Amino acid sequence: KAGVTQTPRYLIKTRGQQVTLSCSPISGHRSVSWYQQTPGQGLQFLFEYFSETQRNKGNFPGRFSGRQFSNSRSEMNVSTLELGDSALYLCASSVRVGTEAFFGQGTRLTVV
Amino acid sequence: AQSVTQPDIHITVSEGASLELRCNYSYGATPYLFWYVQSPGQGLQLLLKYFSGDTLVQGIKGFEAEFKRSQSSFNLRKPSVHWSDAAEYFCAVGSNDYKLSFGAGTTVTVRA
Repeated sequence: KAGVTQTPRYLIKTRGQQVTLSCSPISGHRSVSWYQQTPGQGLQFLFEYFSETQRNKGNFPGRFSGRQFSNSRSEMNVSTLELGDSALYLCASSVRVGTEAFFGQGTRLTVV
Repeated sequence: AQSVTQPDIHITVSEGASLELRCNYSYGATPYLFWYVQSPGQGLQLLLKYFSGDTLVQGIKGFEAEFKRSQSSFNLRKPSVHWSDAAEYFCAVGSNDYKLSFGAGTTVTVRA
């Protein structure tokens, strides 16, 4: 069974640009969550989708957005990038909200 | 709302010694409980989980954890640590229809 796939693995962007990250969940999983991880702030919850609906949202500015498609694949978008957005972005999928989550390898975003 | 506390930010242990990582949670009902491990620059890997039943659960890589309802704890243990166990460990709590909540993590250093 294929795991959670995140693309790209590494990304370098310039301040002010926007970026889209992609996550393909495990087959059959309908819940996808996104996290931002930095050395200073640790693992912070961004948002969670279930069956194309955003179920939960973390405390991030509106520059951070996401969506989920009918095949459960998810994307997150960050507009007007800031230096502080440099982080490891992790995606996790699960059968349903609140149960065991399986993580992808993450996308390492560097904003310069 | 549910929350997770990992009191120890960093633990150093000698190779071959035992390891115990503490986790306390706050939740009204019986939660789902998880331990994850993360190597640098990688995603989180599920070590073990507790949903119900036997309060002592076995996981991968020789880890076990014990659920103690009276203490609202779910501590992770390993009898004999290997150098490859050096990583960051996260405790998480979940429930039906509510997102997983993660602790701040405990970094484990293994000395020779």
